Parts: sequence; C-alpha cells; structure tokens
Amino acid sequence: GAVVSQHPSWVICKSGTSVKIECRSLDFQATTMFWYRQFPKQSLMLMATSNEGSKATYEQGVEKDKFLINHASLTLSTLTVTSAHPEDSSFYICSARKGLAGAYEQYFGPGTRLTVT
Amino acid sequence: EDKVVQSPLSLVVHEGDTVTLNCSYEVTNFRSLLWYKQEKKAPTFLFMLTSSGIEKKSGRLSSILDKKELFSILNITATQTGDSAIYLCASFTNAGKSTFGDGTTLTVKP
Repeated sequence: GAVVSQHPSWVICKSGTSVKIECRSLDFQATTMFWYRQFPKQSLMLMATSNEGSKATYEQGVEKDKFLINHASLTLSTLTVTSAHPEDSSFYICSARKGLAGAYEQYFGPGTRLTVT
Repeated sequence: EDKVVQSPLSLVVHEGDTVTLNCSYEVTNFRSLLWYKQEKKAPTFLFMLTSSGIEKKSGRLSSILDKKELFSILNITATQTGDSAIYLCASFTNAGKSTFGDGTTLTVKP
C-alpha cells in the first residue's frame, strides 16, 4: 500500500497566529514530498518540493518565510503557515513520492482545510 | 512556463453515457502524464502514462497518451453517479516537477 496521512484535517485559527500541518507516509519511505494549495473550484497549485534532509524548493511566488517546510525524516514533512492571514485560508494537500527519481506516482494525503479568521 | 490544459471544464451526462476528457500539455523535459480523480478530498491516482499509444485500462476507465500531438484522453464508459468528480491531469518532468490542469468537473445524473 501507499497511504499518506495529514494532520489536522481542518483547523481554524486567528489572524496572526501560526499553524503547523503534518504530512506522514504511513507505510513507505518518501524521499520527496510535495505541498499543494487548492482554492475552491480551482486546481492544485504546487507550493514547494521537499526532500528529506535538505531545504525545500519553493515555486515562484510562494514566500518561503511564510510557509516553512521541514522534511525531517523519510516519513514526515511539516508545513507551518506563519502569521496567518485570512487570505491564507485554503485547502492544503501534501503528496509523497515513493521511491527515487523515475517513480513519479504520487500519493496524496487527505488534505487540511485551513480557515483564518 | 509549463502548461496543462483540460477540456471541457465541466460536463453533465446521464448514467450509461460514455465520456471523453481531454488533456493537452506544453512541458519542457516531459516525462509522464498522470490522471487523478478528486471527490471531496484529495486526489486519488488513476493512471500514469509515459509511452505514446499504449492504452491503460482499469474497469470502465481507460486512458492513452499521444506524445507527438501532446495530449491525453481519459475515457469513461457506462458512467455511474459515483463517477461524478473532478478529474485532474498532471504533467511531470524528468526532474519530477508537476503541473496540474484546472480539472474537468463531471456530473453524472441518474
């Protein structure tokens, strides 16, 4: 199997606070994990790619100081939204790639819905 | 900039109909094209296509890639209400970078 979990599944926070979202590959080791953002009725937008033990690669337009990504182990990556604002409210989805480059099948987590009030 | 375009954006059919969803791409260092089905939560994997002209099949769903014309189609035969979802295609480069299309929202009416 290839199961990816995310925690929490939904979170409401106040403006100015920080929120951490965890992404775990439960039954495989993920050398690479991806973080996506999805607005209502829109497609997935890749935010960053993280490889275990190294710094994440952010897509153009994504603020690395605002969206902190840590890929501390082969089964865990975290996304911290710092000083969240209402415009950060979105559906955040992680995915994990099983195996090395060449295995492009990605397994998605169930997503985290963030609402910033 | 890599681009993936899906059509139509939305489609409404009746149970039993056959549908064809389209995905065209302009991608540098293209490696694979993947199809996903997204219902209420995160996408679930359907197919990965790397070679041209080889049909992949899973039950009532099938897909094929044309690397010369830079497109892929996803066919669903004998549609059921449970097929209602957003269908996403995504291109992957040799470096593993993904670009998603905007999706096709399929609604299957009883």
